[in-house]
Amino acid sequence: EIVLTQSPGTLSLSPGERATLSCRASQSVSSSSLAWYQQKPGQAPRLLIYGASSRATGIPDRFSGSGSGTDFTLTISRLEPEDFAVYYCQQYGSSPGTFGPGTKVDIK
Amino acid sequence: EVQLVESGGGLVKPGGSLRLSCAASGFTFSSYSMNWVRQAPGKGLEWVSSISSTSSYISYADSVKGRFTISRDNAENSLYLQMNSLRAEDMAVYYCARGRLACTGGTCYSDYWGQGALVTVSS
Repeated sequence: EIVLTQSPGTLSLSPGERATLSCRASQSVSSSSLAWYQQKPGQAPRLLIYGASSRATGIPDRFSGSGSGTDFTLTISRLEPEDFAVYYCQQYGSSPGTFGPGTKVDIK
Repeated sequence: EVQLVESGGGLVKPGGSLRLSCAASGFTFSSYSMNWVRQAPGKGLEWVSSISSTSSYISYADSVKGRFTISRDNAENSLYLQMNSLRAEDMAVYYCARGRLACTGGTCYSDYWGQGALVTVSS
């Protein structure tokens, strides 16, 4: 099974700043089958990015994904107050699909 | 509007059983694979099980294989998860999620999620 590692564990930033979140896989993720989700306390996850770089429906363009192989990045260009949350990456190229442990973006 | 609404969660003793349901609306349910994903308290996400649109392909995480059974009723726009021989480590919020792509072995991403059903396993 592919193990995903996310860093940092916690990212403390101010509104308006740029956030860069990393997701590293223990093996190459086939066909860039990597998704990113946002989860706020008490809520279900929300799909942000699929296919490593495609934004899901209704996702603002301040969210962008990049990467291939074993290294992937989620970038939030300018943090809005509603962006403070936990972010998970998921690989779905190999069975079983696996999630990373999450990165918490909190207010500095 | 796509909606997924889970029900059936609750408190169960170790070794007990519970059946979760997920009512889908706002899309053609019979055209999509569906997933169950769980989240233990304060922990991350874990894929549990997937079922293809026609129930031809079903897969489970090793942690639940032989104990959980996924099924669906396309006529009723409903997804189910029968959970038997429940253990303390099965305690989690269980999310029903719509899958994109084949979803065999959890090889898909989920574009819509329900609000979750809490399963508590305790004596």
